[in-house]
Amino acid sequence: EAQVTQNPRYLITVTGKKLTVTCSQNMNHEYMSWYRQDPGLGLRQIYYSMNVEVTDKGDVPEGYKVSRKEKRNFPLILESPSPNQTSLYFCASRGLAGGGEQFFGPGTRLTVL
Amino acid sequence: QKEVEQDPGPLSVPEGAIVSLNCTYSNSAFQYFMWYRQYSRKGPELLMYTYSSGNKEDGRFTAQVDKSSKYISLFIRDSQPSDSATYLCAMSAGGTSYGKLTFGQGTILTVHP
Repeated sequence: EAQVTQNPRYLITVTGKKLTVTCSQNMNHEYMSWYRQDPGLGLRQIYYSMNVEVTDKGDVPEGYKVSRKEKRNFPLILESPSPNQTSLYFCASRGLAGGGEQFFGPGTRLTVL
Repeated sequence: QKEVEQDPGPLSVPEGAIVSLNCTYSNSAFQYFMWYRQYSRKGPELLMYTYSSGNKEDGRFTAQVDKSSKYISLFIRDSQPSDSATYLCAMSAGGTSYGKLTFGQGTILTVHP
């Protein structure tokens, strides 16, 4: 089954404690992205990657890091989380072939205390 | 001014009604247009995808893109209570901006029996 998976689905942490949210896709898509979703602000792109070792900033990259060492994986790293990073995070992937539709993972709800 | 504007609603309609959801945008480079449906606590689910201008129909759903007016629409015929969700429009340019997707704020739709 074609899918995007994220882990963990729920995470509660404290300010300053580094964390990583993993994302994996099995569709051999070139593009992968991270979004955060906040009430009243909608979905905002954090970072995206065009392929292995190629990444670019989205609309709200501050406080986040990403890496793309393998085509299927695109982890999101918060090196020093702060309460304003409490949000619902989505990973997504999009291929160049087959029309270019973008598919989302199930989401990770992060709370930073 | 936001690049993509979407009336957040909320929109409440009776079962069987025709629903019209709309987005306007300012970036004339946008050429890939998508509509997503998002149920509470779930990831966005791709509903319709259109490249450039024109109409696309899939069952009860019709997507329209008018690039000259920078306006896209999603029509839902014979709406059902199960259509109650948040609907998000999304769009991107091509080339080096292919990976950067911009979303509208989402329209909350309720279809009551």
